[in-house]
Amino acid sequence: DTGVSQDPRHKITKRGQNVTFRCDPISEHNRLYWYRQTLGQGPEFLTYFQNEAQLEKSRLLSDRFSAERPKGSFSTLEIQRTEQGDSAMYLCASSLRTVSTDTQYFGPGTRLTVL
Amino acid sequence: AQSVTQLGSHVSVSEGALVLLRCNYSSSVPPYLFWYVQYPNQGLQLLLKYTSAATLVKGINGFEAEFKKSETSFHLTKPSAHMSDAAEYFCAVTPYGTGNQFYFGTGTSLTVIP
Repeated sequence: DTGVSQDPRHKITKRGQNVTFRCDPISEHNRLYWYRQTLGQGPEFLTYFQNEAQLEKSRLLSDRFSAERPKGSFSTLEIQRTEQGDSAMYLCASSLRTVSTDTQYFGPGTRLTVL
Repeated sequence: AQSVTQLGSHVSVSEGALVLLRCNYSSSVPPYLFWYVQYPNQGLQLLLKYTSAATLVKGINGFEAEFKKSETSFHLTKPSAHMSDAAEYFCAVTPYGTGNQFYFGTGTSLTVIP
């Protein structure tokens, strides 16, 4: 299977700690997206990359959140000084930019619990 | 601005009955519309998409949806519900020609009663 993969699947951390999540997109996809999903809600867009360029980051939740995609392949999402309100599922998606539009394919997510 | 409203956060149907999940969108430009399904503790799986071709779109697992511009709707239907259809369903919109931001609804949880 060559779908989107995310690691880890689950992360439990204590408040104030830093956490980093990894996303590996479908290999030929040039766009990569991060979303946050809280219980009972739809995914909330955070940021996206086209190749290694971060084209939209204004919707990252605070300056404690940052994302990178250094070589245009995998991406990492870091949350510094975690808070209990950061507990959520973090979803990654990838797509192949085409003339018309993209279809985003999602990974299984990383569930973060902040104690 | 783009947004999606899913009417009914919970829908219950009997096995074999018609499934109807409602989605209304708001978009300042022609939209592309999507339905995704999410099973517990999993990511989202694409069911179907509308990208300005045929207004009646057929997807996987027997689902289909019809784009109605006059009603700004993109409701999801399936003629006969199966137990395996029980899941969370999300409608999403993205502006035509960009695809860089998807706006999701809050989801509809489908329960199938045997």
